[in-house]
Amino acid sequence: GQNIDQPTEMTATEGAIVQINCTYQTSGFNGLFWYQQHAGEAPTFLSYNVLDGLEEKGRFSSFLSRSKGYSYLLLKELQMKDSASYLCAVLDSNYQLIWGAGTKLIIKP
Amino acid sequence: DGGITQSPKYLFRKEGQNVTLSCEQNLNHDAMYWYRQDPGQGLRLIYYSQIVNDFQKGDIAEGYSVSREKKESFPLTVTSAQKNPTAFYLCASNDGEIHEQYFGPGTRLTVT
Repeated sequence: GQNIDQPTEMTATEGAIVQINCTYQTSGFNGLFWYQQHAGEAPTFLSYNVLDGLEEKGRFSSFLSRSKGYSYLLLKELQMKDSASYLCAVLDSNYQLIWGAGTKLIIKP
Repeated sequence: DGGITQSPKYLFRKEGQNVTLSCEQNLNHDAMYWYRQDPGQGLRLIYYSQIVNDFQKGDIAEGYSVSREKKESFPLTVTSAQKNPTAFYLCASNDGEIHEQYFGPGTRLTVT
């Protein structure tokens, strides 16, 4: 079966750095997405990785290792507004998105 | 501004009633999707459509129905056959070339 694993919840301090991991086992791979979702709102796109390596976009970076079935989202200089759930999703061989359950990130002052 | 609209934001229904959730997009996207999200769970695909007048079942289609008569519109009907309809429903679209999905604001349905 297809499976995406993320930690359920993480806590970090304002101004710090946090890394959210995602491991996946899917039938085929056509890319991995990270989305941010604030409570009660729709997910918003953060990043897309299809090749191995690190993609940096401002305070957020995303890393992919296809051979290990592993990705992480790195958030730097954390702000209170970064408190949200972070969803990892993999595009499978049929170009359908398989979603992880999300990681709830709690930022403390 | 282009985007996806879903209405209403909150919807309340009595058990045994069918209810239709609207989803409209003006992004000119061919593909549209309906997801269900329950607390502590990821998004689960209900139905998707890649072209007008065609749609496919997702992982949890039982108790739901859709139509795609226009490119811009993809309404979802939650029927009385759906055992646990209370959830947050999200509509999304993409253009088929770039697989990033754009989401509407969602409808929170409560059935009592």
